[in-house]
Amino acid sequence: DADVTQTPRNRITKTGKRIMLECSQTKGHDRMYWYRQDPGLGLRLIYYSFDVKDINKGEISDGYSVSRQAQAKFSLSLESAIPNQTALYFCATSGPEAGSSEQYFGPGTRLTVT
Amino acid sequence: QKEVEQNSGPLSVPEGAIASLNCTYSDRGSQSFFWYRQYSGKSPELIMFIYSNGDKEDGRFTAQLNKASQYVSLLIRDSQPSDSATYLCAVRDDKIIFGKGTRLHILP
Repeated sequence: DADVTQTPRNRITKTGKRIMLECSQTKGHDRMYWYRQDPGLGLRLIYYSFDVKDINKGEISDGYSVSRQAQAKFSLSLESAIPNQTALYFCATSGPEAGSSEQYFGPGTRLTVT
Repeated sequence: QKEVEQNSGPLSVPEGAIASLNCTYSDRGSQSFFWYRQYSGKSPELIMFIYSNGDKEDGRFTAQLNKASQYVSLLIRDSQPSDSATYLCAVRDDKIIFGKGTRLHILP
């Protein structure tokens, strides 16, 4: 089984709709992240959480909100989807700050807003 | 604004040759440095990390770090067609910041 899972994997929605992307992990990591990826723009951080009670905005948080329901679950919501939120969304986790602390990515959610 | 800069490419390298990928970063306080490989439509996967000045080798891959010059590179020896992908440089301070990636194309 995958360590980091994302649901749904693909979603097409209409402008103005509310949508939630979910992420679950079995790695036991405290730190979780949401990124979006657009062609030519790389990975951009939306929100991140270092533990259940800690939520931080990334570089492009406008139009998004998150919820850390448990150590293993971190969901991303688009309250009112717009076409320029069409992108590939990745959830990631990482271990403690010390050491290599690499990020482990989920398989991604391809979101299309029409 | 902390930045990580990479040449977007594409970088075309003949099969069997050495591919050299470069990355510069703006924050002198950065502690850890990562190279991820990403195939089209797939999630990034870690191939190397380094946090001390100098070289670190793992199989065909060598990461090089020069903190004074704020420069990190990735060398891929004996390049294979399966190495064709986008390579993302990432730098860690309090959180990880990614470069936009370099597209590498290995020519058969």
